[in-house]
Amino acid sequence: EAQVTQNPRYLITVTGKKLTVTCSQNMNHEYMSWYRQDPGLGLRQIYYSMNVEVTDKGDVPEGYKVSRKEKRNFPLILESPSPNQTSLYFCASSSQGHPSVLSYNEQFFGPGTRLTVL
Amino acid sequence: RKEVEQDPGPFNVPEGATVAFNCTYSNSASQSFFWYRQDCRKEPKLLMSVYSSGNEDGRFTAQLNRASQYISLLIRDSKLSDSATYLCVVTPYSSASKIIFGSGTRLSIRP
Repeated sequence: EAQVTQNPRYLITVTGKKLTVTCSQNMNHEYMSWYRQDPGLGLRQIYYSMNVEVTDKGDVPEGYKVSRKEKRNFPLILESPSPNQTSLYFCASSSQGHPSVLSYNEQFFGPGTRLTVL
Repeated sequence: RKEVEQDPGPFNVPEGATVAFNCTYSNSASQSFFWYRQDCRKEPKLLMSVYSSGNEDGRFTAQLNRASQYISLLIRDSKLSDSATYLCVVTPYSSASKIIFGSGTRLSIRP
């Protein structure tokens, strides 16, 4: 089954304790991205990756790191989490494809990770 | 000004009604447009792409107005199962690098 998986689904942690949220896709997609979703603000892009070893900042990258060593995996790292990073996080992937292709840019999302930083 | 703006709602309409949402975008160079649906506490899922000529999928119709820089979604004969948040998404033509989501419009269909 084609899917994007994230782990953990729920996490409660304390300020300053490094954590990693994993993301994996089995669709051979080039593009992967991380978003956070907060009430009233919608989904905001944190980081994205166009392909292996190619990553770039989205709109809200501060306090986060990512890596893309393999095509299928795109972990999100919080080196020193703070309470303002409490949020719902989504990983997504898509095929680069060609703009004329119907599936161009369709984002496939993981189920989400609800993070609480105390 | 936000790059993509939506009326947050909620829109509360009776079953069977027709409802329409708009979404405005600020970057005239935007080229790809989508509507996503998100159920409570779930991940967003693609509802439909929006093409220049407009497109229809069953009870759903999407339109693009480049001159006024907005896209619209029309739902006819609404069902209880249409209750969800509808997210407008805008991307540039050249790549998938910058993907902007609206904050969503909440729709609630009542019996």
